[in-house]
Amino acid sequence: AQKVTQAQTEISVVEKEDVTLDCVYETRDTTYYLFWYKQPPSGELVFLIRRNSFDEQNEISGRYSWNFQKSTSSFNFTITASQVVDSAVYFCALSENGPTDSWGKLQFGAGTQVVVTP
Amino acid sequence: NAGVTQTPKFQVLKTGQSMTLQCAQDMNHNSMYWYRQDPGMGLRLIYYSASEGTTDKGEVPNGYNVSRLNKREFSLRLESAAPSQTSVYFCASRRTGDGNQPQHFGDGTRLSIL
Repeated sequence: AQKVTQAQTEISVVEKEDVTLDCVYETRDTTYYLFWYKQPPSGELVFLIRRNSFDEQNEISGRYSWNFQKSTSSFNFTITASQVVDSAVYFCALSENGPTDSWGKLQFGAGTQVVVTP
Repeated sequence: NAGVTQTPKFQVLKTGQSMTLQCAQDMNHNSMYWYRQDPGMGLRLIYYSASEGTTDKGEVPNGYNVSRLNKREFSLRLESAAPSQTSVYFCASRRTGDGNQPQHFGDGTRLSIL
């Protein structure tokens, strides 16, 4: 069963609009970690943000913000005032706690393509 | 600071050929990982190495072998390449000691098998 679901395949916006990316996850662990990665057209994967399961405080970092809600198993990510350079595929990922934290295996969603036009 | 380096960046193989993808990190990380990325499926874990001297299977290990040569290097081998292994392969590493540590990825190897 897919543990990370990104239902939005592609989102197209005009520059300066806000973009919210949805992520729903599934886990039985009480301790887990959630991440967002960005993959620009050049292909590399860039770490953006992370959140522990025991910390539901939502934060803002520059133009990025995230909304973590354990009650709905969601970890949504928002880009405020989008720019053309934000055009990329964005991946949500889940890391579940194993017998030792050195596992750290990531389970990725299918990704959401964001297209920002001038 | 190079981070995670993968070689080669591109490769074309014929069905049945063998090949080793190389990965090295200079961040003194204990854990290393190999993923494959296929269209519409995100990244899937092939093998991982929690620490030097250990390796374990991930979600899609069939057709692959790995070697954790030392703390820095983690190689992925295709013994008899098949067209279904056409994909983009990513190596990653991670500092241990805290489950919150993110993985750092190489730039990927684009592999085509004819």
